[in-house]
Amino acid sequence: EIVLTQSPGTLSLSPGERATLSCRASQSVAGSYLAWYQQKPGQAPRLLIYGVSSRAIGIPDRFSGSGSGTDFILTISRLEPEDFAVYYCQQYGSSPRAFGQGTKVEIK
Amino acid sequence: EVQLLESGGGLVQPGGSLRLSCAASGFTFSSYAMSWVRQAPGKGLEWVSAVSGSGVKRDYVDSVKGRFTISRDNSKDTLYLQMNSLRAEDTAVYYCAKHGSSGAIDIWGQGTKVTVSS
Repeated sequence: EIVLTQSPGTLSLSPGERATLSCRASQSVAGSYLAWYQQKPGQAPRLLIYGVSSRAIGIPDRFSGSGSGTDFILTISRLEPEDFAVYYCQQYGSSPRAFGQGTKVEIK
Repeated sequence: EVQLLESGGGLVQPGGSLRLSCAASGFTFSSYAMSWVRQAPGKGLEWVSAVSGSGVKRDYVDSVKGRFTISRDNSKDTLYLQMNSLRAEDTAVYYCAKHGSSGAIDIWGQGTKVTVSS
């Protein structure tokens, strides 16, 4: 069973700054099956990135994903006001299709 | 427009049962795997169960194995989650979710709330 650990738990940044979120897996993620989701309060999650680095439809290019094996990164190049939210990574290459515990990006 | 609409949540006593439903529209339902994902109050996301497009292959997180059953009726474009022997720790918002051709979840419902309490 793969366990995903996200860091930091909370990231305090100002609009316009760069955000770097980490997702570390306890073992290698099969087939690059790693996704990132954004969730705002009271809303369902939204897919941002799939296959480690492919942006989902309609996702702006300030969001990018990278990594391989056990270490993955979500980068938001310049934070917009609507980007302050909780972000989750998920591996979907093996069962259980676990999520990380989330990183909250808050306004500094 | 692709939509997933959950129903069936509510208050149930420990040991009780509930059946969640998810009505899908706007896509060829039988072509895609589907999942249930839950979120306990103030907590993160937890993947619960998945089913293949045909309904043949099913998968569960260990904590619900033997208690929950995922199924689908492709003639009705509907996904189900039968939940038995419910526990307080099953209290959560349950999301119905569609997997895209990439395998990642690309569409989420708005969720249905399940509360297990006496």
